[in-house]
Amino acid sequence: QVQLVQSGAEVKKPGASVKVSCKASGYTFTGHYMHWVRQAPGQGLEWMGWINPNSGDTEYAQKFQGRVTMTRDTSINTAYLELSRLTSDDTAVFYCASHSSGPVDWGQGTLVTVSS
Amino acid sequence: QAVVTQEPSLTVSPGGTVTLTCGSSTGAVTSGHHPYWFQQKPGQAPRTLIYDTSKKDSWTPARFSGSLLGGKAALTLSGAQAEDEAEYYCLLSNGGVRPVFGGGTKLTVL
Repeated sequence: QVQLVQSGAEVKKPGASVKVSCKASGYTFTGHYMHWVRQAPGQGLEWMGWINPNSGDTEYAQKFQGRVTMTRDTSINTAYLELSRLTSDDTAVFYCASHSSGPVDWGQGTLVTVSS
Repeated sequence: QAVVTQEPSLTVSPGGTVTLTCGSSTGAVTSGHHPYWFQQKPGQAPRTLIYDTSKKDSWTPARFSGSLLGGKAALTLSGAQAEDEAEYYCLLSNGGVRPVFGGGTKLTVL
């Protein structure tokens, strides 16, 4: 079955960058778009963008453009989310989510804490 | 971009029926928005309940159903159980490129 395993929790200082990984298994990695979703503490889900692992094409939410980069390494079936110029407002759980035309499969989430 | 609206909170009695809705600031929600519904319990990742308006994921209990109702996407729970207490999020495909989540509905079974 589909499994998305994300990297562990991170603590970063304001102004730094963070890179979160998402390793996929149980399906053809290049056949599903990979989305990234942010959830701040006690808040709702916020779509950040997607990457097409086959082509490397990306689409980012306007809010994150200029600060977010989504990449992938097809040799190890892993997608990456990098977010730069972190502020305390970026303290959140970040989820990867794999999607083709059916149900969305979710990673377990990665907590990123931004604190001085 | 569109703003997607959901009821902030709803309460249903055990065994009762409740409908959650998902509207769009750009107009009526249609099948072309491919509405999704996700369930999220505290401390857990979301799970897909409903996709493409009314299709169920393999784990989705039969008591959940999705539809279009009065220009909105709708999630109906018939025969609520205590384990259904959770946050429910809808997602609309905004022109197929940049999807948008609703703010979520906190469902209490009481």
